[in-house]
Amino acid sequence: GQNIDQPTEMTATEGAIVQINCTYQTSGFNGLFWYQQHAGEAPTFLSYNVLDGLEEKGRFSSFLSRSKGYSYLLLKELQMKDSASYLCAVRPSNDYKLSFGAGTTVTVRA
Amino acid sequence: DAGVTQSPTHLIKTRGQQVTLRCSPKSGHDTVSWYQQALGQGPQFIFQYYEEEERQRGNFPDRFSGHQFPNYSSELNVNALLLGDSALYLCASRPQGAEETQYFGPGTRLLVL
Repeated sequence: GQNIDQPTEMTATEGAIVQINCTYQTSGFNGLFWYQQHAGEAPTFLSYNVLDGLEEKGRFSSFLSRSKGYSYLLLKELQMKDSASYLCAVRPSNDYKLSFGAGTTVTVRA
Repeated sequence: DAGVTQSPTHLIKTRGQQVTLRCSPKSGHDTVSWYQQALGQGPQFIFQYYEEEERQRGNFPDRFSGHQFPNYSSELNVNALLLGDSALYLCASRPQGAEETQYFGPGTRLLVL
């Protein structure tokens, strides 16, 4: 089976930086995704990593280390609207599905 | 360009009933996946359809079945509903071969009483 772990909750202050870690043990690896999900809404795509290293997209960056089975999502210059659940998902090799972690709820305080 | 659409948005059923949920993929997308998301959990893969065939199935009982039509739209059917089937049902679509471009619909929230 697939095992994807991420912290349950994180709290940070507006304007600060938060790093959400994700570790995975899957049967092979064919890409890691980060999604943002506001309460009651659908997940929206943030990033996709298939090679090691850092991918930067504006205030959001995602890092991958395949040898360590580890990724993180970095949120900079936090805004109140960033309060949401952040989902880490892995696509195992020879597999069509995404396996999701339980999500990390980020609360941004003024 | 419309994104992934799903209907209905909300649904209330009673135990033992049957339900059909519908999904229209984003324009240009031919692969549709269905996920179940219980409250406070990540989405769990139900199955994926491509070329009107079920290509892969997750760990869900046979009560969960689906269909894909020639226009790539899809239906999810759940028979003999249980209280535990209450969840947000998400449809996701992507073009064949483009693994990084999976988009989710707004979901159907199903409540089983």
